[in-house]
Amino acid sequence: QVQLQQSGAELAKPGSSVKISCKASGYTFTSYYISWIKQTTGQGLEYIGYINTGSGGTNYNEKFKGKATLTVDKSSSTAFMQLSSLTPDDSAVYYCARLTTEGPDAWGQGASVTVSS
Amino acid sequence: DIQMTQSPSFLSASVGDRVTINCKASQNINRYLNWYQQKLGEAPKLLIYNANSLQTGIPSRFSGSGSGTDFTLTISSLQPEDVATYFCLQHNSWPYTFGAGTKLELK
Repeated sequence: QVQLQQSGAELAKPGSSVKISCKASGYTFTSYYISWIKQTTGQGLEYIGYINTGSGGTNYNEKFKGKATLTVDKSSSTAFMQLSSLTPDDSAVYYCARLTTEGPDAWGQGASVTVSS
Repeated sequence: DIQMTQSPSFLSASVGDRVTINCKASQNINRYLNWYQQKLGEAPKLLIYNANSLQTGIPSRFSGSGSGTDFTLTISSLQPEDVATYFCLQHNSWPYTFGAGTKLELK
């Protein structure tokens, strides 16, 4: 079955960067885009962007341009999201989700990022 | 960005009740509206896609309706395992946007 396995929780200092991974299995990786979503108690769910797993092309929500960088390693069926210049406002649970023509279907289990000095 | 207004924010109902949750889009999104269920500590799960299509493996007590700007998720007979937060998502226009969620609890 379709599975997306994300990397573990991160504790990071303000100003630093983190890189979250999302390893896909159970389907042909390059047949679907991978998208990334941020969840916080205050702002709810927000779409960060998505990556074409075949070409590496990306599309970002304007709000997250300069904050998030999406990449992919086809050889390992893994997508990555790097978050840079971290502030406490970046503390959240980040999900990857497979993106179909009907929207996101399968989701990873989420990766918690805590930014604190 | 398209704003998704979801109501109610909180809902308390009894086992066997019929439950409805609504989402209103700030502009026409055709039928590009999905519903997700999120249980505590878990990732969201897709229930309904494109307004009224039931995702594989989801019980038939869940149904969706609507088009344009107004959409409804219905649970025909509430079960204890349905306690969760429910979100709508529009995927008509980028950036895709979510409703704020409806927290459903048992009375």
